[in-house]
Amino acid sequence: DAGITQSPRHKVTETGTPVTLRCHQTENHRYMYWYRQDPGHGLRLIHYSYGVKDTDKGEVSDGYSVSRSKTEDFLLTLESATSSQTSVYFCAISEGSAFSEAFFGQGTRLTVV
Amino acid sequence: GENVEQHPSTLSVQEGDSAVIKCTYSDSASNYFPWYKQELGKRPQLIIDIRSNVGEKKDQRIAVTLNKTAKHFSLHITETQPEDSAVYFCAANGGGSQGNLIFGKGTKLSVKP
Repeated sequence: DAGITQSPRHKVTETGTPVTLRCHQTENHRYMYWYRQDPGHGLRLIHYSYGVKDTDKGEVSDGYSVSRSKTEDFLLTLESATSSQTSVYFCAISEGSAFSEAFFGQGTRLTVV
Repeated sequence: GENVEQHPSTLSVQEGDSAVIKCTYSDSASNYFPWYKQELGKRPQLIIDIRSNVGEKKDQRIAVTLNKTAKHFSLHITETQPEDSAVYFCAANGGGSQGNLIFGKGTKLSVKP
């Protein structure tokens, strides 16, 4: 498996609190992604990064922000969590060469109560 | 932006039969189409992919076909086995951008012994 870890793996938080999820890679891959997975919606792209401090929005970016200050770390922040953000969040990485495979982390199950 | 539609949402077959999952995409600039398999409680993993300059690709019991004119691509699994039971996702790189990897909503395949 590609060297990609997400933390925490599980989190329960209250509505209105800030939450940060971390994705850490040891592969030195250029691209990093955050997806959320919900029943009936599949995998939806939140944000992605194509280098240090280079990020762009995905399909469902509202309510989320990201940062990438080092190649190996990509952080996803929910500034003020809402119940609609209860989901399983997956981080993924890919080399950056054309048509390269995306490798997924184990996922983080976030529950907002 | 890119939109990927996937059908059917559920598929049940008898062991040994074939299974076909179909996807359509909207962005004519997309040029990379991977398929991922996700077993229950696990991360998605790439099983096969195809580039826009190729019409068909095979890997043992799985194959993918691409029709660029019609903007659709399909996954074919022959001689299905119980271990093929999983959720399958198609994806396309919207705008030809590696970062903008958009997924379909998934197909839950059940293979009955």
